Amino acid sequence: GAVVSQHPSRVICKSGTSVKIECRSLDFQATTMFWYRQFPKKSLMLMATSNEGSKATYEQGVEKDKFLINHASLTLSTLTVTSAHPEDSSFYICSARDQRWREVFGPGTRLTVL
Amino acid sequence: ELKVEQNPLFLSMQEGKNYTIYCNYSTTSDRLYWYRQDPGKSLESLFVLLSNGAVKQEGRLMASLDTKARLSTLHITAAVHDLSATYFCAVDRFGNEKLTFGTGTRLTIIP
Repeated sequence: GAVVSQHPSRVICKSGTSVKIECRSLDFQATTMFWYRQFPKKSLMLMATSNEGSKATYEQGVEKDKFLINHASLTLSTLTVTSAHPEDSSFYICSARDQRWREVFGPGTRLTVL
Repeated sequence: ELKVEQNPLFLSMQEGKNYTIYCNYSTTSDRLYWYRQDPGKSLESLFVLLSNGAVKQEGRLMASLDTKARLSTLHITAAVHDLSATYFCAVDRFGNEKLTFGTGTRLTIIP
């Protein structure tokens, strides 16, 4: 079946540094991918829609200069958290829609900012 | 603004019992999804419901959709411990792939 991978699975960084998270569709092409964040014991919140070959579309309240998204190919989207602060600590999950209209989620990346 | 609410938020039930999780949404939607999430893990797709009256079943789980009532249900039959997880419904309002998630229902099955 369709698989989406994320790398890294866990990252710990110091405040002020930038962190890049990769999201790959392994066996299908995805012109659109999505980035979510999830706080502990909470639901998922859509951050942005990543579009291959064009700019990402950000949800209201999400800072585009803080969360840089690049969708360089049909199988790869990256999310860069710039100048990370402790409040950016969260579980970040990407997803892509496969050919059967199922939303396939990546395994998630747990970011901890010290 | 689309709102998706689930109830109950927490559910503790004994093995062998039946129960239903409800998902209400506030505006017309094209598609409704159910997902399972285990602690510390990502989401696993359970069901995609595409039309009014749609019913899907897999194992002890059955999902249904009533678009007129803007209601979906996830029914658990004869619960077993390994069904313990958090269950989310999600709505794709415009068929544009952007999902709005429900609040989640944390299900604990007690042996």
